[in-house]
Amino acid sequence: AQSVAQPEDQVNVAEGNPLTVKCTYSVSGNPYLFWYVQYPNRGLQFLLKYITGDNLVKGSYGFEAEFNKSQTSFHLKKPSALVSDSALYFCAVRDMRGSSNTGKLIFGQGTTLQVKP
Amino acid sequence: GAVVSQHPSRVICKSGTSVKIECRSLDFQATTMFWYRQFPKQSLMLMATSNEGSKATYEQGVEKDKFLINHASLTLSTLTVTSAHPEDSSFYICSATRTSGWQETQYFGPGTRLLVL
Repeated sequence: AQSVAQPEDQVNVAEGNPLTVKCTYSVSGNPYLFWYVQYPNRGLQFLLKYITGDNLVKGSYGFEAEFNKSQTSFHLKKPSALVSDSALYFCAVRDMRGSSNTGKLIFGQGTTLQVKP
Repeated sequence: GAVVSQHPSRVICKSGTSVKIECRSLDFQATTMFWYRQFPKQSLMLMATSNEGSKATYEQGVEKDKFLINHASLTLSTLTVTSAHPEDSSFYICSATRTSGWQETQYFGPGTRLLVL
């Protein structure tokens, strides 16, 4: 079965400290992995994706994510958190089930990041 | 980056009326768009896949006669909530798939808040 898990409902970090938002996945075949951020009452904004290539992927707003095949993880990281990074973060994997290539995404349950001054 | 718009951003309607929500890809063509529903502090629930020029594909448990989807062009998909009831109140988000070579990325609209009285 294909799935994505974000084990933490909330992550609290002090401004200036490094942050990590965890994501693990279960897919058959090679995974296509994504991170999105959602601010209150807004849609999702694309941060970054891993398709193939370097395991460390750099994205928007200084975020990066490391693909770890052995641990089936794709944790989101940032070296120095900002208060404005406080938002809801979603990890997603492309749904490869079925014969038609529709590009559907399977989302994790989301992690609220709270960065305190 | 790719831009997806939704209209309206917020709508309040009486029970029994129908509401149409538009999703547009502003700077790219999208043969596939997706409609999601999100409850407060929860993840996105995929409702249906909207395919340009053909019928939408609905997820299990989603009533196709209640949530009518029309993908009239490569830049426009509409979701019509027919005979809306208070339990249909939710945050509706669309996304459009942008294809660049062999890579696909979903870009999301800002969402539409529907309140049915």
